Amino acid sequence: DQQVKQNSPSLSVQEGRISILNCDYTNSMFDYFLWYKKYPAEGPTFLISISSIKDKNEDGRFTVFLNKSAKHLSLHIVPSQPGDSAVYFCAARRGDSNYQLIWGAGTKLIIKP
Amino acid sequence: SQTIHQWPATLVQPVGSPLSLECTVEGTSNPNLYWYRQAAGRGLQLLFYSVGIGQISSEVPQNLSASRPQDRQFILSSKKLLLSDSGFYLCAWASGSSYEQYFGPGTRLTVT
Repeated sequence: DQQVKQNSPSLSVQEGRISILNCDYTNSMFDYFLWYKKYPAEGPTFLISISSIKDKNEDGRFTVFLNKSAKHLSLHIVPSQPGDSAVYFCAARRGDSNYQLIWGAGTKLIIKP
Repeated sequence: SQTIHQWPATLVQPVGSPLSLECTVEGTSNPNLYWYRQAAGRGLQLLFYSVGIGQISSEVPQNLSASRPQDRQFILSSKKLLLSDSGFYLCAWASGSSYEQYFGPGTRLTVT
């Protein structure tokens, strides 16, 4: 039962353009969402998060949008840079669970020069 | 500032051998601790989490076990490794009041 889905295994974007990574979820009990970035052979690093009471959160080149009615969130990276090439994971926290995050399978972002 | 350490970075073990992976956190007290596994091309699978010394919750029944002998130490063990145990093992911590988890560098385990 995949409660958090990242349907695109990979995405290729030209350097300088916008990268849009998508994530869908099924559980309406999720109240907090996070994006992580992972390089090969390293642990994931936290990027940005959003509470379910908001629909947008910005941090520099990264913006996360949340559409609760569609149970969909997206991460926008503008402009895309070569160092953004990595696997991006979406994760969600259930409102009744303090300790666990439910993870998507990840999307590999490739930034082309 | 908080740091998280994992060792070893890579490990090659024969089938049937024991396993012990260690994770320690510095700069924080009473963290929530997590063990994850990432199989090749897959997402993160939560194996165990702990909210305090001696308190372990298991998410996936298997031949792995976890222990938390000290507040900032989390150990992943197995008595007999299987081929299917190969993967990238990640330890993470979170403060009790935070949703964000912070990961260690990981251990690449290959069971041959």
